[in-house]
Amino acid sequence: AQKITQTQPGMFVQEKEAVTLDCTYDTSDQSYGLFWYKQPSSGEMIFLIYQGSYDEQNATEGRYSLNFQKARKSANLVISASQLGDSAMYFCAMRELTYTNAGKSTFGDGTTLTVKP
Amino acid sequence: KAGVTQTPRYLIKTRGQQVTLSCSPISGHRSVSWYQQTPGQGLQFLFEYFSVTQRNKGNFPGRFSGRQFSNSRSEMNVSTLELGDSALYLCASSGDRSYEQYFGPGTRLTVT
Repeated sequence: AQKITQTQPGMFVQEKEAVTLDCTYDTSDQSYGLFWYKQPSSGEMIFLIYQGSYDEQNATEGRYSLNFQKARKSANLVISASQLGDSAMYFCAMRELTYTNAGKSTFGDGTTLTVKP
Repeated sequence: KAGVTQTPRYLIKTRGQQVTLSCSPISGHRSVSWYQQTPGQGLQFLFEYFSVTQRNKGNFPGRFSGRQFSNSRSEMNVSTLELGDSALYLCASSGDRSYEQYFGPGTRLTVT
């Protein structure tokens, strides 16, 4: 079974500073994907970034980067130059990359990020 | 490209009633997954449909069911509603050649 752990229920960061949101995972699968989503108060889940288990380089998407350490089973999200609009709940998720389980994601409990002006 | 749409956005039902929620995926996406989000249980996977067939199912009672049509639109149905079914129901679609799941805005169901 897959499990995602996000140990930071809430985080604060000053505007324009960088922040790291922690995520550790547990799985016996060899081929899996790790994802980060942002959920504003409106409720919609916004896809941010993806990292495959076989990818050797850390994924980056604009101000978002994923610090992937496979041996430690961690997939931390780094947001650079925080903006007020980054205030939201952030979820780490994983999915086995097989035909049968391609549509089934396991989510962590989330981290609420508050950006201070 | 239009995103994932869900209707209705808000719904209030009474215990014992049934409800049907609808999800239209991104054009070209054949996979549609459904999730339930509650403050106590977090995000939990309900089921996934791919090309009309249910490909995976989570640990929910049989009161929760779904289907997918040939145009990839999907519906989920909850029968005999309970207070604990109050939640945000999210659907997500993904394409055949990408791993990302794109979510809709959700349907907020309140059971009284």
